[in-house]
Formats: sequence, structure tokens, C-alpha cells
Amino acid sequence: NAGVTQTPKFQVLKTGQSMTLQCAQDMNHNSMYWYRQDPGMGLRLIYYSASEGTTDKGEVPNGYNVSRLNKREFSLRLESAAPSQTSVYFCASSERGSPNEKLFFGSGTQLSVL
Amino acid sequence: AQTVTQSQPEMSVQEAETVTLSCTYDTSESDYYLFWYKQPPSRQMILVIRQEAYKQQNATENRFSVNFQKAAKSFSLKISDSQLGDAAMYFCAYRSALEDSNYQLIWGAGTKLIIKP
Repeated sequence: NAGVTQTPKFQVLKTGQSMTLQCAQDMNHNSMYWYRQDPGMGLRLIYYSASEGTTDKGEVPNGYNVSRLNKREFSLRLESAAPSQTSVYFCASSERGSPNEKLFFGSGTQLSVL
Repeated sequence: AQTVTQSQPEMSVQEAETVTLSCTYDTSESDYYLFWYKQPPSRQMILVIRQEAYKQQNATENRFSVNFQKAAKSFSLKISDSQLGDAAMYFCAYRSALEDSNYQLIWGAGTKLIIKP
């Protein structure tokens, strides 16, 4: 069972470069999320998509854009990478987005911006 | 704004023994959900257990149980009969039951659990 698949697993960028992190889920979930994880901190929500065709800002959206390409795929784009965006990025999904729902996570992308 | 605090950056326990991980939170809401997630070295977050605030009974999942003290805003995780596979980072998280909560899970900073063989 694939679950939530993220690519790439590791990436090194130079300041100012752009890139897109890809995420796909095969569980027919409606809601998808992008988080970042920094050392000594909990996860912080960047953007989420409650359902296909909708996206909304989370706690730390600055410097990022997202696209909900279809029900399966939710991508995160860094237009002009900055060292402050060095982090581990997680994509997650849930069936309906209800508050008590379990989130299913990908295995993360380790991004370093030099 | 809600906050979640995990005051133990690291805990260690002997294999087969019991360990308790602490979590406190701050909220003015009466209805919410609390979660414990595990992050093994593979990095993938896995739900361990969840608790609904309106339920007085503590949640249990096999060797994992919680001590939910709503008045004290405390939500600790007890792991019984610790196994080597339990070694991981453990994160406590809060989610409002309000519809306008923007799907926001509020996460603690995590506790690293070490299992000694």
C-alpha cells in the first residue's frame, strides 16, 4: 500500500532557485496538507486543501504556493528559495478533514537551501 | 491562541518497562481533540492514539494509554511493556472542534524516546 508518496526525498537548492515538491495519495482522501518541521519545533501548517479545487493558507504560507492538481495530487512550490526555508517538508492527507480524523503522512522531503 | 508543550526533550526506558510522556496544552475551548503521533527514524508520522475532550474515559490502544486531565489541561501518554520498536520521536497535538479552526493541528516540540535493551 503506497499511501502518501512524496518526491523528492532530499533536495539541495541555492538561494533564489525554485522547485516543486510533489505529493500524491492513493486513498481517495478529500483533504490534503503541507507541513514543515524544524528542529526543536512541532510541525507547522503551510497550506491545506479541504477538497479538490480548494486551497487555503495555514500558519506559515509566506514564500510558498500550492496546487491541488486533482483529488490525488497536491504540490508545493518554492518560487525563490531562501535559507529560512531549509526544513523537512511533510505532505499529509485525511478522508474528510474532520477534526478527529487521523492524518496519513508521507515520509518527508529534506530540503536544504544554501 | 492554543499552545502545546512537551517539557521532556528526551526520555529513556529499559525494554519491557513502562514510561510516561508528558504533554500540557492551553486553550479556552471546551471541545477539542488531542493526539499522540510517533515519528520513527523513517520520518513518517504515525497516529498512536487520540482522545476526544468530551469523553471522560481515557483512550487506550493495546500497550498505549493516555491520562487525560481536562481541568489540568494535561494529556500524558503511557507506554507499557516498552519494545525496541517504540524508539521514536513522540509528538502531542491539539485540534479544535470548531468548524472555522482552519484544519489547524497545533503540535508540541516532541519527546525523543530511547529504549535501552
